[in-house]
Amino acid sequence: EIVLTQSPGTLSLSPGEGATLSCRASQSVSSSYLAWYRQRPGQPPRLLIFHASIRAAGIPDRFSGSESGTDFTLTISRLEPEDFAVYYCQQYGSSPYTFGQGTNLEIK
Amino acid sequence: QVQLVQSGSELKKPGASVKVSCKASGYTFTNYAMNWVRQAPGQGLEWMGWINTNTGTPTYAQGFTGRFVFSLDTSVSTTYLQISSLKAEDTAVYYCARAQGSVNFFDPWGQGTLVTVSS
Repeated sequence: EIVLTQSPGTLSLSPGEGATLSCRASQSVSSSYLAWYRQRPGQPPRLLIFHASIRAAGIPDRFSGSESGTDFTLTISRLEPEDFAVYYCQQYGSSPYTFGQGTNLEIK
Repeated sequence: QVQLVQSGSELKKPGASVKVSCKASGYTFTNYAMNWVRQAPGQGLEWMGWINTNTGTPTYAQGFTGRFVFSLDTSVSTTYLQISSLKAEDTAVYYCARAQGSVNFFDPWGQGTLVTVSS
């Protein structure tokens, strides 16, 4: 099973700042099969990025994903109030399809 | 538009069973697998497994065998999650989430169904 470790656990920033969220895999993720989701309180997760760097439909270009080996990064530029939420990474390269434990992006 | 609508919240006693439904619309139901994801209160996301909506074949993640059953009714484009012998630790929000063709990232998600197990 591939274990995904997200860091930091909590990130406190102000609107307008940029955010960098990390997701480290315990082993190689096949075909860059990694996705990022945002979950606002009381809502289901929403797909942001798939295949490590491709934005989902309707996701603004402030969101970008990248990878370097087993390290994956979600970058959010110019934070807006609706961006403050919990972010999860998920690998779907091999079953079981595991999630990271989440990063809570909170308003400073 | 593509949409998944789940059944409402459930309150059950320990030892009882529950069946959660997930109705799909806006696409050809049998073309996309359906996944189930659990989220315990205040916790993260846990993948439970998926069902092939073309063949009806389920695949369960470790920890979700025995008491958990995925099923479907293609005539109404609906997938079901049944949990038997409920325990307090089954209290969680259960989400259905559509796969994307042959790859299992999830979009869209259902709104979630809260199952509370309490005596």
